[in-house]
This record gives sequence, structure tokens and C-alpha cells, in this order.
Amino acid sequence: GAGVSQSPRYKVAKRGQDVALRCDPISGHVSLFWYQQALGQGPEFLTYFQNEAQLDKSGLPSDRFFAERPEGSVSTLKIQRTQQEDSAVYLCASSFRLAGLETQYFGPGTRLLVL
Amino acid sequence: QKEVEQDPGPLSVPEGAIVSLNCTYSNSAFQYFMWYRQYSRKGPELLMYTYSSGNKEDGRFTAQVDKSSKYISLFIRDSQPSDSATYLCAMTRSGNTPLVFGKGTRLSVIA
Repeated sequence: GAGVSQSPRYKVAKRGQDVALRCDPISGHVSLFWYQQALGQGPEFLTYFQNEAQLDKSGLPSDRFFAERPEGSVSTLKIQRTQQEDSAVYLCASSFRLAGLETQYFGPGTRLLVL
Repeated sequence: QKEVEQDPGPLSVPEGAIVSLNCTYSNSAFQYFMWYRQYSRKGPELLMYTYSSGNKEDGRFTAQVDKSSKYISLFIRDSQPSDSATYLCAMTRSGNTPLVFGKGTRLSVIA
């Protein structure tokens, strides 16, 4: 079946440019997570949605980062006035509850390079 | 000190070897423990998850959790070149809280 999809797969932005990254979760998955993965590091949590409600945004590194999921399905992560330190892979995961655990399935990621 | 520590390797083994990967952690509130496999330029793929302490086996993979030592392991038996990837440990406090990942261990299985 269809997994989590993300677009674009690659994005090159000039410093100061705004970018929008899209995540299409697995159909029917209520929860959606965004993570940031720097080169050679593990993913780090950014934000979490349950349906359209953003329940946790404690991992967003600055107010330049904004995420939304207006209809409880597709989500968009927006980064305003991009900086070089924003260069990373942005991973989206959707999840369902299995034996008490929100089992997270990841998309392929969007690789962002800020020049 | 990071909440989850994982040796990044790289680790190189011959085909057929038993591979041992491990992570230590500092937060005693972690209850759910996972291992993800990540191929180059792909998203992480869930391999195993374990709740609290104990062992879990799935084919060639065995996950172990020792909460008293705050230490988790993944064993791969009869390793294959297709197992070459980065292995990430991850853990979380409860069923719907974000995952905290280790740095990942890069594994190469040489034919």
C-alpha cells in the first residue's frame, strides 16, 4: 500500500528565502510528526499533530518554523527566512496505535540545502 | 550529555557474522524502545519495538532491553550485505510522545 510521501524530495534555497515542505501521511493515520535530521545525526523532533490539532511544537527551533495540518491529513512545514543552519533532511512520520504505542512510519524526507 | 548515546561506527563485518548494536540512555522514564533501519537517502524503517525490559525476536533480529542498566541492544544473526545501512535506536516515555533517537550506527556487511 501507499506509504508516507513527501515533496519536494530536494530543495535548494537561497538564504532568506521562504520554503514549504509537504507531507502526505498514510490514509487514516491520526497522528503526524515532523523531525529534522542533520548530516550524521539521528532525527530530532520538531512538532506533533493529532488530526488537525498541533499538540506539541516544543521542538521547533525558532519562530521562523511553522507547521500546519488544517484538515487533519496533509501537513506543511514552512520555514521563513531560511538560514544555512536550516540545511538538513526534514522527515515526516504518520502513526497508528499498536499495542499502546504510536507506531511511526516515516516518509523519505525532504533534503533542504540553504546556500 | 545527550539523552540517548549510540556509537556512530562505522562497523564493518563479514557476511554471516553476528552483529551487536547498542545504545545507552539517561532518562529512566523511557518505556518504549525501538530500532529503525535507514538506507542511504531513505526514511527510517521500523525493525523492532519492545515495551519495558526483556527480549524480542523476529527472524534474524533480536532486541534486548535492560532498564536497570539503561542499555538496549539489537543483534543481527547471519548478517547479509543487504543489512548494510544505518541503525537508529529510538525511545519514548509513553505511547504518543515523540521519539528520541540515537545518532545511528553505520553498518557495512562485506560479501
